Amino acid sequence: DQQVKQNSPSLSVQEGRISILNCDYTNSMFDYFLWYKKYPAEGPTFLISISSIKDKNEDGRFTVFLNKSAKHLSLHIVPSQPGDSAVYFCAASRNDMRFGAGTRLTVKP
Amino acid sequence: NAGVTQTPKFQVLKTGQSMTLQCAQDMNHNSMYWYRQDPGMGLRLIYYSASEGTTDKGEVPNGYNVSRLNKREFSLRLESAAPSQTSVYFCASSELFGQGLFYEQYFGPGTRLTVT
Repeated sequence: DQQVKQNSPSLSVQEGRISILNCDYTNSMFDYFLWYKKYPAEGPTFLISISSIKDKNEDGRFTVFLNKSAKHLSLHIVPSQPGDSAVYFCAASRNDMRFGAGTRLTVKP
Repeated sequence: NAGVTQTPKFQVLKTGQSMTLQCAQDMNHNSMYWYRQDPGMGLRLIYYSASEGTTDKGEVPNGYNVSRLNKREFSLRLESAAPSQTSVYFCASSELFGQGLFYEQYFGPGTRLTVT
C-alpha cells in the first residue's frame, strides 16, 4: 500500500514565480517529514524537513507546510529558478521511511 | 570527502546469477540503508543498519541479504537474481537514528541493475 502519495507527476512554472508541490499521507503515526530533490543520474539530496509538532519550517527560498488534520504537506519554492528543475520526493518516517513517487518540476526561464 | 560511494554504477546479470553491491561512507555516520527505485514509484527501503553490528528488514527485503562489514561499509547481496529485481539501487547513510525516527539521509549516486 502506498502510504505517501504525490498525485501530480509533473509541474511547470515560470522563473521567478512560486512552485507548490503537494504530498498526502495515510498513516497518522508518521512524525517526521522530509523533502528530497533528485537530478538525473544522481542520488536524492536532502532539502528540508519538518517535525510533526510544527506546522511550518523555512529555509531560504524553501518552506514546508504540514497540515496534520488533513494528512497533507506541501513544499513552496519562492522564487523558482531554472536550477530548481528536478524531481522532488516527499518522505515520511516513523520506524522506517516511506517515499512518494515524486513530482518532476520544470522551471522555465 | 567523497560522501557515499557505490560500486558498480551499472550491472547486467542473467537470471539466477548472484552479485554484491558495495556501499561505503566517509562521514562517520552510524546508520546505513539500502533502497530500490522503480519507474513511477518512490524509493522503497530494502534493509537498514541502525548501527555497526545490527541489520533490520525494511519494506521489501525478500530476495536480498545485507552485511554491515564495519562502520563505513554496508553491502547488499542478491543470491539468485530475478528480472523483478531490475531497478536502481541507492545506498544512504545518516547520523541520527533514535527514538524510532529516520532522519535526514545522504544518498550515493546509485547502481543501475538489469536482470535478463
